[in-house]
Amino acid sequence: DVKVTQSSRYLVKRTGEKVFLECVQDMDHENMFWYRQDPGLGLRLIYFSYDVKMKEKGDIPEGYSVSREKKERFSLILESASTNQTSMYLCASSSGQNIYGYTFGSGTRLTVV
Amino acid sequence: DQQVKQNSPSLSVQEGRISILNCDYTNSMFDYFLWYKKYPAEGPTFLISISSIKDKNEDGRFTVFLNKSAKHLSLHIVPSQPGDSAVYFCAALLRRGADGLTFGKGTHLIIQP
Repeated sequence: DVKVTQSSRYLVKRTGEKVFLECVQDMDHENMFWYRQDPGLGLRLIYFSYDVKMKEKGDIPEGYSVSREKKERFSLILESASTNQTSMYLCASSSGQNIYGYTFGSGTRLTVV
Repeated sequence: DQQVKQNSPSLSVQEGRISILNCDYTNSMFDYFLWYKKYPAEGPTFLISISSIKDKNEDGRFTVFLNKSAKHLSLHIVPSQPGDSAVYFCAALLRRGADGLTFGKGTHLIIQP
C-alpha cells in the first residue's frame, strides 16, 4: 500500500523554537507539497518541490522554508515558530503525469505555545 | 483573492437523499477540477475529478458537473450514506504535473439518519 508518512501526529513547541516537520513517501513521486489546514481557510499551499533540491513557493511561504535532499523526503522548517503557525500541516506527493496521484499524509497537528 | 470558493461551510442532508456540494472558481485557465474528502485526523483522499473539456463525470454514487460558462462545478452524492459525513474540498489545477492544487475552504457535509 502506497504511503505518505508524516513523522509526528501531534507536536507542541514553544514560540521561537526551530521546528522540523518531516514527510516521507514510498511511491517514487517527483512532486511533493506542504499544505496547512485551518478552520474557515481550507487548505493553503506553503511550498512544493518537483525535484530533488528544487523548491517553489506556494501561496503562504512566509515564516517557512523547506528542504528536499532526497527524492522521498520533504521537510518543512519553521525557522522561529510563532503562535499563528499553530495549525494542521499536511504533506502530499504526486507523480508528474498523474493528476489523480495526490496522496496525502495523515497530518501533523502543531501547537505553538 | 480566493480563486476557488465553496460558499457553504456546512450542509446537512438526510440519509438516502441527494447531497449537492457547490464550488465556484475565478481562473478560467484551470485545467482540472478535483474533489477531496477528509475525515477528522486524516489526510484528504481523492474522490473524483473532471477535466475542463468535459461537463460531467460519474463514478458510482458520485457525479461531478462542470459549467465552464458559469465557472461553477458541483458534486452530487446519490444516495447519501452516513459514511459520507466528512469535509469535502473542491480543488483546481492549472496544469498537469508539478503545480500544487488550489483548494476551496471546504464544506462540512453531515448526513442525518
